[in-house]
Amino acid sequence: GDSVTQMEGPVTLSEEAFLTINCTYTATGYPSLFWYVQYPGEGLQLLLKATKADDKGSNKGFEATYRKETTSFHLEKGSVQVSDSAVYFCALSDTNSGNTPLVFGKGTRLSVIA
Amino acid sequence: KAGVTQTPRYLIKTRGQQVTLSCSPISGHRSVSWYQQTPGQGLQFLFEYFSETQRNKGNFPGRFSGRQFSNSRSEMNVSTLELGDSALYLCASSLGGGRNTEAFFGQGTRLTVV
Repeated sequence: GDSVTQMEGPVTLSEEAFLTINCTYTATGYPSLFWYVQYPGEGLQLLLKATKADDKGSNKGFEATYRKETTSFHLEKGSVQVSDSAVYFCALSDTNSGNTPLVFGKGTRLSVIA
Repeated sequence: KAGVTQTPRYLIKTRGQQVTLSCSPISGHRSVSWYQQTPGQGLQFLFEYFSETQRNKGNFPGRFSGRQFSNSRSEMNVSTLELGDSALYLCASSLGGGRNTEAFFGQGTRLTVV
């Protein structure tokens, strides 16, 4: 079945450092890809998404490019802030198979220190 | 526009009891999905309801059930609670279809089984 693999972390960075969180996927169809963020005590918020190959999703300085050839959707940010400390989840939805549910990676905890 | 509302936020139950969790989706959203989040298993899909019908179901035992009302509000029920059912239960609502359909999550209900 479909699956998502992301680096487990935790990742600890200094403020203004460059962030990369790797995400690769396996899907039988042609999925849409998502990054969600979860702040302490909160639910998940959609950070960005991409629905077709070579699409770049971006939001709040974060970006990720849908790479079909490497089945990847790595999350990047050029300069992290303390407020970016959260857990980040990569996810896919194989909408070519109908309205399928989101399949999530295990999550990567990011801590940014001042 | 009000977001997804889950009640209660916290619950403590004893093994063997049953519990009902509630989710009110964003107005106009007809799809409600439920996910279980645990440190060990991550985010796992329970089921999805669309227009009062269960459209998708994850790999959980029959002790986990749900329903959706005509106003799209949804409830999930867990009977004969086990210690392993302790988790954050997240509800997500969406318009219900298509590659660009975004899922909006509530803050979750944290269930502790003792």
